[in-house]
Amino acid sequence: EAQVTQNPRYLITVTGKKLTVTCSQNMNHEYMSWYRQDPGLGLRQIYYSMNVEVTDKGDVPEGYKVSRKEKRNFPLILESPSPNQTSLYFCASSLFGANVLTFGAGSRLTVL
Amino acid sequence: GENVEQHPSTLSVQEGDSAVIKCTYSDSASNYFPWYKQELGKRPQLIIDIRSNVGEKKDQRIAVTLNKTAKHFSLHITETQPEDSAVYFCAASEDNFNKFYFGSGTKLNVKP
Repeated sequence: EAQVTQNPRYLITVTGKKLTVTCSQNMNHEYMSWYRQDPGLGLRQIYYSMNVEVTDKGDVPEGYKVSRKEKRNFPLILESPSPNQTSLYFCASSLFGANVLTFGAGSRLTVL
Repeated sequence: GENVEQHPSTLSVQEGDSAVIKCTYSDSASNYFPWYKQELGKRPQLIIDIRSNVGEKKDQRIAVTLNKTAKHFSLHITETQPEDSAVYFCAASEDNFNKFYFGSGTKLNVKP
């Protein structure tokens, strides 16, 4: 089944404790991206990647890092999480940039 | 950067009525405009999209119109059904930069 898989689905952590949210797709998509969803703000793009080793900032990249060492994986790294990063995070992929996005199921992160 | 505004934030209609959601964008370079539906607790899923070389696109009860001059696009849902109740997001993207900008969402409630 074609899908985007992200883990963990739920996470509660404390300020400053590094964490990684993994994202993997099995559709051989070139483009992958991360979004955060907050009430009243819609979806905001954090980072995106056009291909392996090619990443770029979205609208809200502060406090986040990404890497794209393999085509199928695009992890989101929070080096020192803060409470304002408490949010619902979605990974998404598409065949190429401006095209249909397939979203993962979401990861709800709480930073205390 | 691009700014996408979406209205209304909530919309309540009677089953069988039509619903219209409107979005405006600021960057004339944007050329791809998708609409996503997000049911409660689920991931966003594409329902329809349009590119700037087309003025209107239909898929059964759903249609999208685009006015490039005025920089706005709209989602039209006819003969609404209770299962249309969800949050709808518009977005704008551009081939060269591949960033996605989402509207803040419209919560549609279809009353039986």
